[in-house]
Amino acid sequence: GQSLEQPSEVTAVEGAIVQINCTYQTSGFYGLSWYQQHDGGAPTFLSYNALDGLEETGRFSSFLSRSDSYGYLLLQELQMKDSASYFCAVKGGSTLGRLYFGRGTQLTVWP
Amino acid sequence: GAVVSQHPSRVICKSGTSVKIECRSLDFQATTMFWYRQFPKQSLMLMATSNEGSKATYEQGVEKDKFLINHASLTLSTLTVTSAHPEDSSFYICSAVGTGLRETQYFGPGTRLLVL
Repeated sequence: GQSLEQPSEVTAVEGAIVQINCTYQTSGFYGLSWYQQHDGGAPTFLSYNALDGLEETGRFSSFLSRSDSYGYLLLQELQMKDSASYFCAVKGGSTLGRLYFGRGTQLTVWP
Repeated sequence: GAVVSQHPSRVICKSGTSVKIECRSLDFQATTMFWYRQFPKQSLMLMATSNEGSKATYEQGVEKDKFLINHASLTLSTLTVTSAHPEDSSFYICSAVGTGLRETQYFGPGTRLLVL
């Protein structure tokens, strides 16, 4: 089976840096994705790591360590609009593109 | 980036009616589409996987006769909630995967269904 663990809530102030961790156990692994979802909206793709290391996209970075079954999403220079739920998702199994989602981390950014 | 549309965005219907939700990939061909439902403050629950020209694969516990999926083309998949009941009220989201997109899932904007 597949299981992913991530914190349920994180709070921070504007301008700060936040790291959201994700650990996973899967029977097959192709990569780790991160999605952002605002209240009432659909998930939007943030990043994908298939190989170990850090991937940077603007204020957001994502890291993967396959040997540790661990990854994180790093958000820098936090803004109020970053308040949202963040989901890690593992691509695994036999179905092309199938994702297994974590329960999500609710990030609240305070002024 | 890849764009997925979903229609309608919101629907309110009476108990017992059927509701059809369309999911379209606008600027790429979707080899696979996924249908999810999501309850408030919860994660996405995969309902079924849809491949063009073949029968959908349903997750355990999802009734295939209740949630009919048709993947008519490489850009369109539909989900029909048959004889909807209040417990079917939820946020339904589709996603699509296309070749050449690093197999990344791109999500539609979702459909909020309320069954009275």
